[in-house]
Amino acid sequence: AQSVTQPDIHITVSEGASLELRCNYSYGATPYLFWYVQSPGQGLQLLLKYFSGDTLVQGIKGFEAEFKRSQSSFNLRKPSVHWSDAAEYFCAVDNTDKLIFGTGTRLQVFP
Amino acid sequence: DSGVTQTPKHLITATGQRVTLRCSPRSGDLSVYWYQQSLDQGLQFLIQYYNGEERAKGNILERFSAQQFPDLHSELNLSSLELGDSALYFCASSRSGGVETQYFGPGTRLLVL
Repeated sequence: AQSVTQPDIHITVSEGASLELRCNYSYGATPYLFWYVQSPGQGLQLLLKYFSGDTLVQGIKGFEAEFKRSQSSFNLRKPSVHWSDAAEYFCAVDNTDKLIFGTGTRLQVFP
Repeated sequence: DSGVTQTPKHLITATGQRVTLRCSPRSGDLSVYWYQQSLDQGLQFLIQYYNGEERAKGNILERFSAQQFPDLHSELNLSSLELGDSALYFCASSRSGGVETQYFGPGTRLLVL
């Protein structure tokens, strides 16, 4: 069955430090992958998506993600984290019209 | 702002009651999805409508139902509510319902007492 795993439940970084959030997927065909961010009390905002083509995709707010088929991964990165990036991050795979989400990674940023 | 609107923002009700959540998709989007976010189940797909017709069903309970109206807004009806139905309910929309970006509304937080 299709699934998404986010191994890190909670990550803490200092402001200005680099960030990498891990995402692994299990999907038989070519995956369509997404990263969403949810700030406290807010809905889900799309950060970036991978459908095909260049395996390094750029998103909003300075985020990028790299699709690695050999590792079944789609990790999210940011070179320098800002305090406003504190939120919960969800990786998702499109499974024939519905999204399957990982359990999320909560990011805490220290000044 | 995604362009997807949901009402109400918060809802408090009692067990056994029935509630209706409303969603208006982005202008031009034909497909509407409903998701439930709870602490124990995470984010789960419930149901999808495309241009008024049910297209896909997820782990939606029989006590829950949905519909999409001719103006493309959608309603999710939750009946015989239980404490475990307390959750954040999201609506999302997309242009055509194929593999494409889904834009999420701000959610309706339901508390069942």
